[in-house]
Amino acid sequence: QLVESGGGVVQPGRSLRLSCAASGFTFSDYGMHWVRQAPGKGLEWVSFISHDERNTYYVDSVEGRFTVSRDNSKNTLYLQMNSLGVDDTAIYYCAKDRAVTTPRYFDNWGQGTLVTVSS
Amino acid sequence: DIVMTQTPDSLAASLGERATINCKSSQSVLYSPNNKNCLAWYQKKPGQPPKLLIYWASTRESGVPDRFSGSGSGTDFTLTITSLQAEDVAVYYCQQYYITPITFGQGTRVEIK
Repeated sequence: QLVESGGGVVQPGRSLRLSCAASGFTFSDYGMHWVRQAPGKGLEWVSFISHDERNTYYVDSVEGRFTVSRDNSKNTLYLQMNSLGVDDTAIYYCAKDRAVTTPRYFDNWGQGTLVTVSS
Repeated sequence: DIVMTQTPDSLAASLGERATINCKSSQSVLYSPNNKNCLAWYQKKPGQPPKLLIYWASTRESGVPDRFSGSGSGTDFTLTITSLQAEDVAVYYCQQYYITPITFGQGTRVEIK
């Protein structure tokens, strides 16, 4: 099970940190992702982190503004989002990868947390 | 970036009919080391997270009904629902994982006629 938290309404230019609590599987054995869906739009992959945090990847639109991290001792995934813009408004899902170090596909998803960037 | 293009954008079929969704990638997603295509399919219903249906282009995820099947190779892929059921109404997405950034198709909405 994956449970996201930390979403809310934030002004443009501000920061927000999302969390994703994992249970029911060995969290430290798998890579993890953040995927978002803007209102009325399709799915957009945001970021990946390998099981050991050694490999991280980002979509270009968030590179340099977002940072993915994880705490395997707490079974928790994080997404630090800085310099938020209105285009970042979306439901943010955390998702578990079937693989360990290489981004592949998502076999388990959280329910999502809504981030709204608005003045 | 690899661009994923799905056709059609939406379709309506009768209960029990076949529904076919196509997905084309802007470059091959065939992974040479295992000769498998890095292509997955998801089902997305309103208010729910996406659900994995198919990975490696044709491997059905555990628990997914066998009326869902995936096929194709290289740049052209298909998701087929052989006998459409009411619970299949959803938006379907293809996704490539050959290279980052991971990219999705724009989605295909499936409805009952």
